[in-house]
Amino acid sequence: DGGITQSPKYLFRKEGQNVTLSCEQNLNHDAMYWYRQDPGQGLRLIYYSQIVNDFQKGDIAEGYSVSREKKESFPLTVTSAQKNPTAFYLCASSITLGTGASIQYFGAGTRLSVL
Amino acid sequence: GQNIDQPTEMTATEGAIVQINCTYQTSGFNGLFWYQQHAGEAPTFLSYNVLDGLEEKGRFSSFLSRSKGYSYLLLKELQMKDSASYLCAVMDSNYQLIWGAGTKLIIKP
Repeated sequence: DGGITQSPKYLFRKEGQNVTLSCEQNLNHDAMYWYRQDPGQGLRLIYYSQIVNDFQKGDIAEGYSVSREKKESFPLTVTSAQKNPTAFYLCASSITLGTGASIQYFGAGTRLSVL
Repeated sequence: GQNIDQPTEMTATEGAIVQINCTYQTSGFNGLFWYQQHAGEAPTFLSYNVLDGLEEKGRFSSFLSRSKGYSYLLLKELQMKDSASYLCAVMDSNYQLIWGAGTKLIIKP
């Protein structure tokens, strides 16, 4: 079964702690994305990567870091510098259409809370 | 700035038809997307419009007017399982998705 797997489903962070959210895809998609979703707001882009070993900051990258060492994997680290990390985190990968646009497909998400 | 507007919440009756509107102002346009998101779950892709007009896919249809910066999602023969949030997103000139806050659709028996 092809898809995007995020783990864990729920995660708790203590003050001053870094935590890493996993995202793996077996769709052979080149591009991958991390979004944050807060109640009453649209999805906000944290980081994205269009190719292995390369990634770009999105609109709200401060307090987060990523790596893209393999095509299949795009882990997100929420650092202690992120002062309001409580949110639903969504990972996506995309396939490019003939128009140049792309359709994004999402993992099941990780809900992060602060203890 | 870039902006996507859609109603916060709508209520409809099982078996009926509902239209969810989306207006947008973005830097460039490379397509408009609709996603469905059930509570606590991931968004799932419903439709993509890049040309003006209506795209029909089963009970769901999506319309686009680029000159008006306007789209709607039409859901027919509503079922209880259609209760979800519906997200409108526009791909801008940099091929980045700009997301609306979503419309929560409540279906009543």
